[in-house]
Amino acid sequence: DVKVTQSSRYLVKRTGEKVFLECVQDMDHENMFWYRQDPGLGLRLIYFSYDVKMKEKGDIPEGYSVSREKKERFSLILESASTNQTSMYLCASSYPGLAGGDEQFFGPGTRLTVL
Amino acid sequence: AQSVTQLDSHVSVSEGTPVLLRCNYSSSYSPSLFWYVQHPNKGLQLLLKYTSAATLVKGINGFEAEFKKSETSFHLTKPSAHMSDAAEYFCVVSWNYGGSQGNLIFGKGTKLSVKP
Repeated sequence: DVKVTQSSRYLVKRTGEKVFLECVQDMDHENMFWYRQDPGLGLRLIYFSYDVKMKEKGDIPEGYSVSREKKERFSLILESASTNQTSMYLCASSYPGLAGGDEQFFGPGTRLTVL
Repeated sequence: AQSVTQLDSHVSVSEGTPVLLRCNYSSSYSPSLFWYVQHPNKGLQLLLKYTSAATLVKGINGFEAEFKKSETSFHLTKPSAHMSDAAEYFCVVSWNYGGSQGNLIFGKGTKLSVKP
């Protein structure tokens, strides 16, 4: 079974703090993704990576950065946390197959609260 | 451009009655479509996916979905709801970035409630 793990289930931080969210997958997947999930908005893509040291902006990259130094690990960084970044953060991974239709495997999520 | 619209934000059914969760998509080419489910405080789990094979797709837990190109729809159905089906369901369409990487576009979700 594919396993995607996230470093914390719940996190509380203060405004202005630097926050690291870690994601690890154990299936040698090339692609990894970070989403945020907010009620009524579904999932929105923050950043994704299709190879080590590669990263691409998603739909809402402002205020975030990412790091992918190893294939299995993809980190999301909030350089200076703000209250509007309070959200559920979901990490996912996938193996690039035929064009389109790549199933993504999700971690359990990190619920981040910024005070 | 690809997009997906879930027509109902909330659906409530009684246990044992049929479930219908509606989804329409827009895609400039033949899409891949998915339904994911999220139970409270859990990650997303794939229910089923359509990738241009059979138009009627069977998934886990008795769910199925039919791809109708003429209606640009991919509605999710189940003949008989169970209490454990209460969750949020996401309809998803894929798009490509730079070749074979499959990025997903999520609908806003439909919360399914099941009454005893």
